[in-house]
Amino acid sequence: QVTLRESGPALVKPTQTLTLTCNFSGFSLSTSGMCVSWIRQPPGKALEWLARIDWDDDKYYSTSLETRLTISKDTSKNQVVLTMTNMDPVDTATYFCARTPYISGSYRFDYWGQGALVTVSS
Amino acid sequence: DIQMTQSPSTLSASVGDRVTITCRASQSISSWLAWYQQKPGKAPKILIYKASSLESGVPSRFSGSGSGTEFTLTISSLQPDDFATYYCQQYKNYFTFGPGTKVEI
Repeated sequence: QVTLRESGPALVKPTQTLTLTCNFSGFSLSTSGMCVSWIRQPPGKALEWLARIDWDDDKYYSTSLETRLTISKDTSKNQVVLTMTNMDPVDTATYFCARTPYISGSYRFDYWGQGALVTVSS
Repeated sequence: DIQMTQSPSTLSASVGDRVTITCRASQSISSWLAWYQQKPGKAPKILIYKASSLESGVPSRFSGSGSGTEFTLTISSLQPDDFATYYCQQYKNYFTFGPGTKVEI
């Protein structure tokens, strides 16, 4: 059974750094073709992809946010960590992690965490 | 970056209706497109990948078509559980989601 769960602070102040952890089970991020992504969704708005980390430790970032994002993994702990620097109130959103397998040339976000709401406010 | 648009933004329909949502990409993405369904307060759920492949466990009333820059998601007979917001997503170049289509009663 595949599960993912996001954790991190519910409230951060402007200019602070956000660190979110995705704990997962039911799959291994050392398996060829396996990836994990982070996606966010401001209240009442659309989904926005942020970053992806692959089984071989390749990392990919949204071009609009790449200077602020860092994604990493700890395969032994089944964890993926996302940091976002210089937080602003516009970064208030629910942050999701999702399993992103690469199969037969195709990606899909097939399992998602329940999401973590992060509010940026002083 | 590849931009995605969807139409309509909101769709009013009744149970049993045939519903079609359109998604357009700013450049050709071949068939590298997925569709997701999201209900309030929940994570999205994948419905379709590679433009027309039905995800395992998804009812067959959902279907996808298209290639290049224009795609459609069709629900053949709308059920009460289908009232939700639907997003398309390209994955030819990283990932971009569309703005969403809300299907309401």
